[in-house]
Amino acid sequence: QQQVKQSPQSLIVQKGGISIINCAYENTAFDYFPWYQQFPGKGPALLIAIRPDVSEKKEGRFTISFNKSAKQFSLHIMDSQPGDSATYFCAASIGGNYQLIWGAGTKLIIKP
Amino acid sequence: ETGVTQSPTHLIKTRGQQVTLRCSSQSGHNTVSWYQQALGQGPQFIFQYYREEENGRGNFPPRFSGLQFPNYSSELNVNALELDDSALYLCASSPGRSSGGELFFGEGSRLTVL
Repeated sequence: QQQVKQSPQSLIVQKGGISIINCAYENTAFDYFPWYQQFPGKGPALLIAIRPDVSEKKEGRFTISFNKSAKQFSLHIMDSQPGDSATYFCAASIGGNYQLIWGAGTKLIIKP
Repeated sequence: ETGVTQSPTHLIKTRGQQVTLRCSSQSGHNTVSWYQQALGQGPQFIFQYYREEENGRGNFPPRFSGLQFPNYSSELNVNALELDDSALYLCASSPGRSSGGELFFGEGSRLTVL
């Protein structure tokens, strides 16, 4: 019940296309859902986060869609660029940044 | 503003040895969390320290222990190393225990156990 399941494991998208990464969770007590971006040799960095009182949050080219009833949330990257090539992790927690439960990650490659 | 720094960046140990990893938190942050990231996996929460006290622990055995110092820097100690302890150990700081804000990660310490 503590797991966060992330798909796909890897994703190749053409430059300018839309990248979509999905996550599902079981624990309905989760109330904080961040997405982190990790480049090789670097630590993860927060990209965008959402709480379950809204169904969508947009920051620039990055959008989180949240479906509380389905217990799913997704990251959409519009106009994907080669610089977006990285590993993306979804995560969930109760009460904020404490004890985040992470998905297994999606390796995104944007082809020029 | 200095970010989160970790040392050493890489180290190799043998089974049964002990290791200490160090983390300097970002200026103004009083909370440090440690995560273990196995190759190809997401990070797993080890524990969190807030104002020098352990503030929660994940599913890790007691041979994983930590400290936080008055300047909010932190150490992760692992005793009796096992092969499965090989991983990237990430330290993250934040301005509060559960502020809802982001975690600021260092670049990690990559531990190899032979």
